[in-house]
Amino acid sequence: AQSVTQLGSHVSVSEGALVLLRCNYSSSVPPYLFWYVQYPNQGLQLLLKYTTGATLVKGINGFEAEFKKSETSFHLTKPSAHMSDAAEYFCAVSNAGKSTFGDGTTLTVKP
Amino acid sequence: KAGVTQTPRYLIKTRGQQVTLSCSPISGHRSVSWYQQTPGQGLQFLFEYFSETQRNKGNFPGRFSGRQFSNSRSEMNVSTLELGDSALYLCASSPGRGTNEKLFFGSGTQLSVL
Repeated sequence: AQSVTQLGSHVSVSEGALVLLRCNYSSSVPPYLFWYVQYPNQGLQLLLKYTTGATLVKGINGFEAEFKKSETSFHLTKPSAHMSDAAEYFCAVSNAGKSTFGDGTTLTVKP
Repeated sequence: KAGVTQTPRYLIKTRGQQVTLSCSPISGHRSVSWYQQTPGQGLQFLFEYFSETQRNKGNFPGRFSGRQFSNSRSEMNVSTLELGDSALYLCASSPGRGTNEKLFFGSGTQLSVL
């Protein structure tokens, strides 16, 4: 069984501020973890993924995430928010062809 | 390379009708999965097809069904539509069934049931 919990359905930051979106997972096997972003009226696109190896994963658009097994977390960060980062973000865990998504976090960026 | 294509983009149906949604995966991708997205329930996994066989199924009633053709294109059918079926239906493809493979999503079909 696998599940994902995203803490905070809405996060608001000022432009230039740090972005931190939280994700905790549960998986009965070693997890493969993903962050996706969804812009209005579009499908999801991959930001980054963790499979094995280095626990700090760098993705597109300046985002990165750190896999912490002891905390069962995979939080997404970006040092400096941009207006174009406003979107909905989904954390997902994958196993045997099935991906389980969190409920999503809507990121608002204030000028 | 063309992305995942879903048709139609928008659909309006009435209760009791049935609907068929179509998904064309990225060329060469053999796995297609379907998700229902609603504001209240988020992204819910419907099913996954690989090589024309359903490999995984989510917790949806039998009114929801699908199939995959030899060219990997997939269709999803919902019969006896209910108001609660109003949602964005997303299709995603990947080259294989590897656990670490990322999903490529289409823009979805927005279904409204009146």
